[in-house]
Amino acid sequence: EAAVTQSPRNKVAVTGGKVTLSCNQTNNHNNMYWYRQDTGHGLRLIHYSYGAGSTEKGDIPDGYKASRPSQENFSLILELATPSQTSVYFCASGDAWGPGQLYFGEGSKLTVL
Amino acid sequence: SQWGEENLQALSIQEGEDVTMNCSYKTYTTVVHWYRQDSGRGPALIILIRSNEREKRSGRLRATLDTSSQSSSLSITAAQCEDTAVYFCATPHQQGTGSKLSFGKGAKLTVSP
Repeated sequence: EAAVTQSPRNKVAVTGGKVTLSCNQTNNHNNMYWYRQDTGHGLRLIHYSYGAGSTEKGDIPDGYKASRPSQENFSLILELATPSQTSVYFCASGDAWGPGQLYFGEGSKLTVL
Repeated sequence: SQWGEENLQALSIQEGEDVTMNCSYKTYTTVVHWYRQDSGRGPALIILIRSNEREKRSGRLRATLDTSSQSSSLSITAAQCEDTAVYFCATPHQQGTGSKLSFGKGAKLTVSP
């Protein structure tokens, strides 16, 4: 059974609209992450969290907000979506300790028109 | 960027051939992760190598790590069609924050019958 679940899996949004991508994990991991994946760039870190109530900026946070209301849930929020945010977004969870293996969801494909 | 430009690769081989993918990084690390991503799926860890191991094997996979040259490699012996995927190396973003990973751009491997 999938331990990291993302929704929606596919989303079409209009420029200027608000988009919320949700992630749920059943691994009981403290840490959660949002990455985006674009051709030629690999995976780039947007926001991450060390636990409920905490959010930290990653390498490319501009235009994104994050929310971690509980251990299990981590959301990525685009308040004013732009076409440049068209991408595939991946959520991941990981232990707070150890070498840092990440467990990824299946991805959310976002198209902003 | 943490990564050398050679980290973006596209490789096409025949079944039964051996292949090696290389990864160079700029910031010292004592651990390198290798992830595999199948089409339409999230990345999944396939091998993790620490600096005190220099070489690690898992089935037909072999990873090496050379901290002096800040490089790692992943080799697949007798590749099969099911090895077709994108392969990423990743290192901890900063020492001491083991779960915050920085990913290379990936190597797209295609194995043909």
